[in-house]
Amino acid sequence: IAGITQAPTSQILAAGRRMTLRCTQDMRHNAMYWYRQDLGLGLRLIHYSNTAGTTGKGEVPDGYSVSRANTDDFPLTLASAVPSQTSVYFCASSDSRIGYEQYFGPGTRLTVT
Amino acid sequence: AQSVTQPDIHITVSEGASLELRCNYSYGATPYLFWYVQSPGQGLQLLLKYFSGDTLVQGIKGFEAEFKRSQSSFNLRKPSVHWSDAAEYFCAVGAKEYGNKLVFGAGTILRVKS
Repeated sequence: IAGITQAPTSQILAAGRRMTLRCTQDMRHNAMYWYRQDLGLGLRLIHYSNTAGTTGKGEVPDGYSVSRANTDDFPLTLASAVPSQTSVYFCASSDSRIGYEQYFGPGTRLTVT
Repeated sequence: AQSVTQPDIHITVSEGASLELRCNYSYGATPYLFWYVQSPGQGLQLLLKYFSGDTLVQGIKGFEAEFKRSQSSFNLRKPSVHWSDAAEYFCAVGAKEYGNKLVFGAGTILRVKS
């Protein structure tokens, strides 16, 4: 059982370029989340999805978009990357039918130059 | 607004000593409480959780935490720290009223000295 996979592991991206971070889970969890982690700020929620076909904005959604076409996949897109989006990005999932704990992927380290 | 405070950015303890990491929250609802651990370059791993019932909860790796409603706290403890416990620890809070979302503290970095 893989749990949650994220790709790529790391990426260096030129400012202004478009980038999609991929996230796939095999636990059939209904809810999925994207966070960014920055030193001293903990994890901040970017976007979330409570179920396939629905998405919502988190604490820091500007400059990011998501889609949830099916249960397993939850890609995060940066339409035009800026240096302030340099961060480590974590995808997570949870099954609200059995609990609220979230399970995390290994992260993607993104550097925007 | 909901918030989670971890007052200690860094903590250093000697191997074999006891540990307590503090977490305070501000939430307008009955909270669900979690502690996660993150080793360098890794994702977050769930240590323990509190939903209801016994306010002292046991987790993995010998950790425990106690929910104190009157103090709005959920401190993490371990009686004897091992060098492998060196990591960053995050407290997180959620509530049914706020859907599935969690709010995380800024984290506490634990250093273990031999």
